[in-house]
Amino acid sequence: KNEVEQSPQNLTAQEGEFITINCSYSVGISALHWLQQHPGGGIVSLFMLSSGKKKHGRLIATINIQEKHSSLHITASHPRDSAVYICAAYGGATNKLIFGTGTLLAVQP
Amino acid sequence: KAGVTQTPRYLIKTRGQQVTLSCSPISGHRSVSWYQQTPGQGLQFLFEYFSETQRNKGNFPGRFSGRQFSNSRSEMNVSTLELGDSALYLCASSLGSGGPYYNEQFFGPGTRLTVL
Repeated sequence: KNEVEQSPQNLTAQEGEFITINCSYSVGISALHWLQQHPGGGIVSLFMLSSGKKKHGRLIATINIQEKHSSLHITASHPRDSAVYICAAYGGATNKLIFGTGTLLAVQP
Repeated sequence: KAGVTQTPRYLIKTRGQQVTLSCSPISGHRSVSWYQQTPGQGLQFLFEYFSETQRNKGNFPGRFSGRQFSNSRSEMNVSTLELGDSALYLCASSLGSGGPYYNEQFFGPGTRLTVL
């Protein structure tokens, strides 16, 4: 079992839909990151969370430390949101940075 | 401000050779991290350097090494290349001393290495 698991692996949505991508981890962590990777490889850092909730434009990220779970929400999705979304968990005690396998999102017009 | 740059962008090598990849971070960033991305394993952390010191290393064999210079530029080296080393190698830089763990990372475009 991977230490960081994402669901779903693939997601197809219609433009305007509300999207949720989930990330669960089995280790104690100090911080969790959400990354976006567009076709062609470029990676952009979206959020770093250690507690609570963060919002940037149409993107919202939440984390529940007790339940070892984080979610990335996209409101009013748009075709330009089509990308792979990757979560990464950092275990402060272990000093390990572990990535999830990614969620491939396709938003259709 | 210029972004993170990586050279070369593409590289073809044969088994047994060695390779050196270069990364120039954003000006002022002292933390540089390296990652390997493959279709089978996804993204994996290789190592992180801060102020010329390796602070953290992922679970990779000793054939993978790196260093950071006083101007924060970093290189990674892979010796005795194997077919399985074919991958996209990404570097990222961060501004604060919290490195890639507690700070936003800025990624370079990557170097696509093919080992034949």
